[in-house]
Amino acid sequence: SQTIHQWPATLVQPVGSPLSLECTVEGTSNPNLYWYRQAAGRGLQLLFYSVGIGQISSEVPQNLSASRPQDRQFILSSKKLLLSDSGFYLCAWSPRKDLRASNGYTFGSGTRLTVV
Amino acid sequence: AQSVTQPDIHITVSEGASLELRCNYSYGATPYLFWYVQSPGQGLQLLLKYFSGDTLVQGIKGFEAEFKRSQSSFNLRKPSVHWSDAAEYFCAVGGGYGGATNKLIFGTGTLLAVQP
Repeated sequence: SQTIHQWPATLVQPVGSPLSLECTVEGTSNPNLYWYRQAAGRGLQLLFYSVGIGQISSEVPQNLSASRPQDRQFILSSKKLLLSDSGFYLCAWSPRKDLRASNGYTFGSGTRLTVV
Repeated sequence: AQSVTQPDIHITVSEGASLELRCNYSYGATPYLFWYVQSPGQGLQLLLKYFSGDTLVQGIKGFEAEFKRSQSSFNLRKPSVHWSDAAEYFCAVGGGYGGATNKLIFGTGTLLAVQP
């Protein structure tokens, strides 16, 4: 069965420090991968998505970047964190083909990032 | 433009009472519709989905939703709420054509509180 792992679960980082959040998927090949940020009352904001190795699309301009060095690995990074980067970050995957082939998106358990 | 509206930010119901959470969408093609639930500090879990066919779909935990094309709605219902249903609920719409168009658009969520 397919599983998605996301770590760390909680992170407290000082302003100006770098960031690296990792997400890996098991049990599937060629998934679409997504990074979302969740802020209170604002729902889920899509930050990045990837349809293949090295292919990254950014949905909103920001202080963050994403990379996909391997088929089932998706990394969210920042060179210098801002206070506004605080939030709950969720990774998700979906099949490359029609969403009817699955239950839509499968989400990781999230990372709570606090920038101090 | 594609969008999802969940007009109720916060709802409180008594345990045992019925529940309806509203969702309206705007989508340029036949939509694929989803409801997810999120417990505090956790990822999102799929409750149910609609792709085609019978407009009344059954999900996990006793939830159901009805797709009404004429009203562009996909409301979530449960006949008798349990205290464990307290969580945040998200409606989402997507096209499911595969590849980059598998992006889901999420509503801002409805936070459900259950009174004893």
